[in-house]
Amino acid sequence: QVQLVQSGAEVKKPGASVKVSCKASGYTFTSYYMHWVRQAPGQGLEWMGIINPSGGSTSYAQKFQGRVTMTRDTSTSTVYMELSSLRSEDTAVYYCARAGSQGSYYYMDVWGKGTTVTVSS
Amino acid sequence: DIQMTQSPSSVSASVGDRVTITCRASQGISSWLAWYQQKPGKAPKLLIYAASSLQSGVPSRFSGSGSGTDFTLTISSLQPEDFATYYCQQANSFPTFGQGTRLEIK
Repeated sequence: QVQLVQSGAEVKKPGASVKVSCKASGYTFTSYYMHWVRQAPGQGLEWMGIINPSGGSTSYAQKFQGRVTMTRDTSTSTVYMELSSLRSEDTAVYYCARAGSQGSYYYMDVWGKGTTVTVSS
Repeated sequence: DIQMTQSPSSVSASVGDRVTITCRASQGISSWLAWYQQKPGKAPKLLIYAASSLQSGVPSRFSGSGSGTDFTLTISSLQPEDFATYYCQQANSFPTFGQGTRLEIK
């Protein structure tokens, strides 16, 4: 079955970086774009960016430009999201989500379980 | 960015009730709209895409309608498992989500 397995929870200090992984299985990895979405405690969903696992091209939300980097490793069917210069406001659950094939790659049809990132001194 | 505004922010209802949630886009997005359901501690789940198309495996009591700037999600007869938070998301450009509607048991 289609599955996205994310890496475990992280605790980081302000100013540090975090790298979250998302391993895909059950489908052809390079055929579907992948999104990253985050959710701060008690808050709504916030889109961060998208990566094309085939060629590696990326697009990022303006809010995160310069601080986020999305990469992929086709040999392991894994995408990565690295966020730098962390601050307390980056404390959130980070989700990877597969872009659907429903006519737009901005729909998200399969989600990982999320990775909790806590930023605290 | 396209802003998405949901109403109400929360609603209380009983099992068997019909519930409608509204989503408004700050500019026209044709039918590029999705609805997600999220339960506490869980990832969101895609319910509806293209404003009115039911995602595979989603019960038929869920339906969506609308185009342009105004959209609705309707649950025809609430079941106990439907109590959750619902988000709309525009897919016309870089995604943005509504603030969410919390559906609670009356």
